[in-house]
Amino acid sequence: DQQVKQNSPSLSVQEGRISILNCDYTNSMFDYFLWYKKYPAEGPTFLISISSIKDKNEDGRFTVFLNKSAKHLSLHIVPSQPGDSAVYFCAASVYGGSQGNLIFGKGTKLSVKP
Amino acid sequence: NAGVTQTPKFRVLKTGQSMTLLCAQDMNHEYMYWYRQDPGMGLRLIHYSVGEGTTAKGEVPDGYNVSRLKKQNFLLGLESAAPSQTSVYFCASVLAGGSTDTQYFGPGTRLTVL
Repeated sequence: DQQVKQNSPSLSVQEGRISILNCDYTNSMFDYFLWYKKYPAEGPTFLISISSIKDKNEDGRFTVFLNKSAKHLSLHIVPSQPGDSAVYFCAASVYGGSQGNLIFGKGTKLSVKP
Repeated sequence: NAGVTQTPKFRVLKTGQSMTLLCAQDMNHEYMYWYRQDPGMGLRLIHYSVGEGTTAKGEVPDGYNVSRLKKQNFLLGLESAAPSQTSVYFCASVLAGGSTDTQYFGPGTRLTVL
């Protein structure tokens, strides 16, 4: 059973508009969440993270929101740019888990159209 | 710094053949990981290492072996390749393995088993 779910395989957005990527999780022990971005033929790269003690973290055009009660997080990209077109993976871990093991969702492919 | 590198980038094997994938990092990271990514799937952890000379099983370890003889290298071995092991393999490393530390990924190895 998937512990981290990204239910939208793809998303298409117009340049300049907001992109909202969603992620749900089932394991209440997760308390640290990350978003990774992946371009074709490259490895994933870290984008932004959030700890469960926060409900929002912002980094430039990227903001991650966490709703613990709903076990839901979202990544907002404003404004979206064509270079943001990539696959976005949501990942979760248990803070204090000494192995730092991450559980990944299946990813959402974002296409930003000029 | 080269970061995380993987060798080879591509490989085609016949069923039953063996091979070793090499991951190298020059960031003096303690923890290293091997993931596989299949179409429409997120990254799944195969094996990981929390330090030189140590290894541990991840979510999908069957059919793979690993070794961490040197801190900078993490090897993934397939003793008898099967078509089900056709996948893209990613290596990652992290400084200390705490869940808040960022994992850095290599560019991936695309393996096809015929």
